[in-house]
Amino acid sequence: GAGVSQSPSNKVTEKGKDVELRCDPISGHTALYWYRQSLGQGLEFLIYFQGNSAPDKSGLPSDRFSAERTGGSVSTLTIQRTQQEDSAVYLCASSFVTHEFYGYTFGSGTRLTVV
Amino acid sequence: EDQVTQSPEALRLQEGESSSLNCSYTVSGLRGLFWYRQDPGKGPEFLFTLYSAGEEKEKERLKATLTKKESFLHITAPKPEDSATYLCAVQPNMGSNFGNEKLTFGTGTRLTIIP
Repeated sequence: GAGVSQSPSNKVTEKGKDVELRCDPISGHTALYWYRQSLGQGLEFLIYFQGNSAPDKSGLPSDRFSAERTGGSVSTLTIQRTQQEDSAVYLCASSFVTHEFYGYTFGSGTRLTVV
Repeated sequence: EDQVTQSPEALRLQEGESSSLNCSYTVSGLRGLFWYRQDPGKGPEFLFTLYSAGEEKEKERLKATLTKKESFLHITAPKPEDSATYLCAVQPNMGSNFGNEKLTFGTGTRLTIIP
C-alpha cells in the first residue's frame, strides 16, 4: 500500500485480557519499528525488526509484551494480561535501511484503552 | 543515556508572527537529528534530517538548524495550517546503517497559529 497501515485504529479492552495489534508496513521497507506514545510523554521505543529478526527488543516494558514479523512484512504486537498502564497509542513505522536516512513513515497508530 | 528536551511545551502565535522552537540534546555521538510534525490522531510525519553542526534545511515556511548541543526549528510567517505538534528526535552513531537503531524523541512543542 501507499502508507503504513495499522489495525485496529481503536481498541478498548478489559484489564487482564490479551490484545493483538497489527502493522502493515510499506512494501519493500525492510526495517519496522514499534513505538508507544502516552499522554504527555515522548514516543517510547519498544522493538525494532530487520526483516523477520528483532535485533533490538530493549524497549519492551515486560514479558507481557511480545512481537513478531512474518515474511518480512506484517508485524503483530501482542500484549498479554493487559494492565491500565498499557493504555497508550501504539505506533508502527517502517523505513529503508541504507546509508542515508529518508525518515520513518509512521502509521496512524492504535489507541489502546484498558478499562 | 540519550536525552532530548524540547521547549517551549506549547506556543501560540498570531498568523504571520515568526518564532523558533528549541530542541536540546545529549547523545553519545550523533548520527542524525530529526524533526517530525504530528497532527492530532495521526502518526508523526517526517520533515528533516540534520547530520552535522552548522547544517540547515528548509521546507516552505520551516527552517531547521543544528549546533553541537541543540537544534532550532524556525517558522517564518506561519499560517493556521502550520498548527501541529513538532517533535525532535536523535539517532546515535552506532557505526551501522541508518534505520538500524532506535530514535530517542522529545515530548514535542504544541504550536497553535491563530488566524
